Amino acid sequence: AQSVTQPDIHITVSEGASLELRCNYSYGATPYLFWYVQSPGQGLQLLLKYFSGDTLVQGIKGFEAEFKRSQSSFNLRKPSVHWSDAAEYFCAVGANKLIFGAGTRLAVHP
Amino acid sequence: NAGVTQTPKFQVLKTGQSMTLQCAQDMNHEYMSWYRQDPGMGLRLIHYSVGAGITDQGEVPNGYNVSRSTTEDFPLRLLSAAPSQTSVYFCASSFFQGGGKDGYTFGSGTRLTVV
Repeated sequence: AQSVTQPDIHITVSEGASLELRCNYSYGATPYLFWYVQSPGQGLQLLLKYFSGDTLVQGIKGFEAEFKRSQSSFNLRKPSVHWSDAAEYFCAVGANKLIFGAGTRLAVHP
Repeated sequence: NAGVTQTPKFQVLKTGQSMTLQCAQDMNHEYMSWYRQDPGMGLRLIHYSVGAGITDQGEVPNGYNVSRSTTEDFPLRLLSAAPSQTSVYFCASSFFQGGGKDGYTFGSGTRLTVV
């Protein structure tokens, strides 16, 4: 069955610290992978996507993600977190239909 | 291009009432899908369509109907609303042909409360 697991429900980091949000997936074929961010009461904003090619993907707002096929993972990283990055982050996999993880809520301490 | 347009943005229903959430896209995308978002559960797929006249069930289809008579429109119908259907609903269209524009476009969501 297709599934996405985001093991961390809540993460708190200090402003300026590095960040890694974990995502593991189960998918029968070569996956299309996505990371979205959502601020409270808002819609979904695409941070980055991976379809093929270079396994290190650069996105918006200084985020990057690395696709590791052997580990079925697509972890999101940012070298230095800003207070405005506080939001909920969703990993998703799929093509004509998306399977989402449950999300990771990020809090940033000043 | 407007992208994906969802209406209404907010709706309050009484238990047992019916309503249709509208979704329209102007990008000529073949794929469209509906999701509901509940706290702690991410977004879950309700129904999806791979083209006009073709629909299929997702993870949580019970209580919802869909049809796809045109490429542009993919309405979601609640035949008899229940409090368990209180949620935020997102419609999306998608395009995958191996190019840089591949991916999803989401609507801004409909916040539905069933009392």
